[in-house]
This record gives sequence, C-alpha cells and structure tokens, in this order.
Amino acid sequence: EIVLTQSPATLSLSPGERATLSCRASQSVSSYLAWYQQKPGQAPRLLIYDASNRATGVPARFSGSGSGTDFTLTISSLEPEDFAVYFCQQRSNWPNTFGHGTKLEIK
Amino acid sequence: EVQLLESGGDLLQRGGSLRLSCAASGFTFSTYTMTWVRQAPGGGLESVSAISGSGGSIYYADSVKGRFTISRDNSKNTLYLQMDSLRAEDTAVYYCAKDFSRMAVPGTLDFWGQGTLVTVSS
Repeated sequence: EIVLTQSPATLSLSPGERATLSCRASQSVSSYLAWYQQKPGQAPRLLIYDASNRATGVPARFSGSGSGTDFTLTISSLEPEDFAVYFCQQRSNWPNTFGHGTKLEIK
Repeated sequence: EVQLLESGGDLLQRGGSLRLSCAASGFTFSTYTMTWVRQAPGGGLESVSAISGSGGSIYYADSVKGRFTISRDNSKNTLYLQMDSLRAEDTAVYYCAKDFSRMAVPGTLDFWGQGTLVTVSS
C-alpha cells in the first residue's frame, strides 16, 4: 500500500502567519491527492482535491500544489479557526491511505 | 443538503459482531461510491471498506478482509458495515463518507457523517 508521510508532525504558528504543510508519497500518486481538515470532535472536512483544487466553500487562503510524490498545503495567512489537524489522502491505489496528520497549533 | 447519519456503534467483547448503518439524504445515493473510514482513539484515519453505487464493486482493507462485509440498500438510501470476529484493534470511530465523483472506484471523500464509536474490550 502507498504510505503517505506528513511533516512536520506539529507546526506552531501565530495568526496571520503563513503555514506550509508537506505530504510525501512512497510512490507516485499522480495528482490524486486530497487534503482534509479535522477539528476536535468533528469529522474531517475536504479542503483540496486532486492536489490543487479547492473544494466548495473553502477560503482562497488555502492552496495545494504538487504532483507525483511531493505535495504541499499552504495557508497564506492563518485565521484562528484554521488551527486544527490536517490529513492528506491518496486515491491512486486502494486502499486509499491517509497520512498521520499535521497538527497546526497556536504559538 | 447532504446528510450522513451513522448508527450502531457499541461496546462489546472481543469476538463479537456488530452492524453499523449509515442513512444518507440530500443526494442521489445510488450513483455514488461510499466508504467506511475509521479513526482509532487519538490516531489517524484508515479506509476500511468501500462499495460502488450499484454495489457491484467492493473493496476491503487487508486488516478487515474476511471479517467485515459492506453492503448497501439503494431503496432505503442506507449503507451498512457488518463487523464479525471483532478485535481490540477494531476500536475506533467509524465514519461513512460519500465520494466526490460518480466514479465506481473509491476516491476523494467530500461529505462525512459524524461517526459512531465502536469499542471492543479484550
């Protein structure tokens, strides 16, 4: 199965700063990568699909890039509601695996 | 508005069985692949099983193959997960999720239920 490695595990930043989260795949997943946000006690929410496409209703400060094995989620200017855990997921091969997540916390 | 409502979670002993249900509304259920995803306490996400809109294509993670059975009743807009021979490591919140596209293969998940907790004691 394809292993997704997210880094860093924890990212401590302040509101207004730029966040850069990484997801690396153990083999190419083309552009078949999504990003999800999860807050405590809630289900994951789709942010980005196919590497760079924002889902409906997702603010423009969220952007995704990459292809093959290396992907990035960027939040251009952090808002208080953005502090959460972020997961990447590939849909290239079943099982559709997830990374272990990056926790974005307030510094 | 898309809604997914899971039910059936419980506390049970190792070796037991349980059936989870997911009632769907707000979209044409029969045209979308559905997936069960679980999340162990404090842990990551694992795709457990998926089923195409017609039910003709079914997928299982190796960790549950032979023990779990996914099914759907399109007349009732309901997804199921029959879980047998449960193990302590099956303890998790189980989410049902709708696929973003109408492809018959599981993919990006655009709507998720609130989850139902399954606890297996040893």
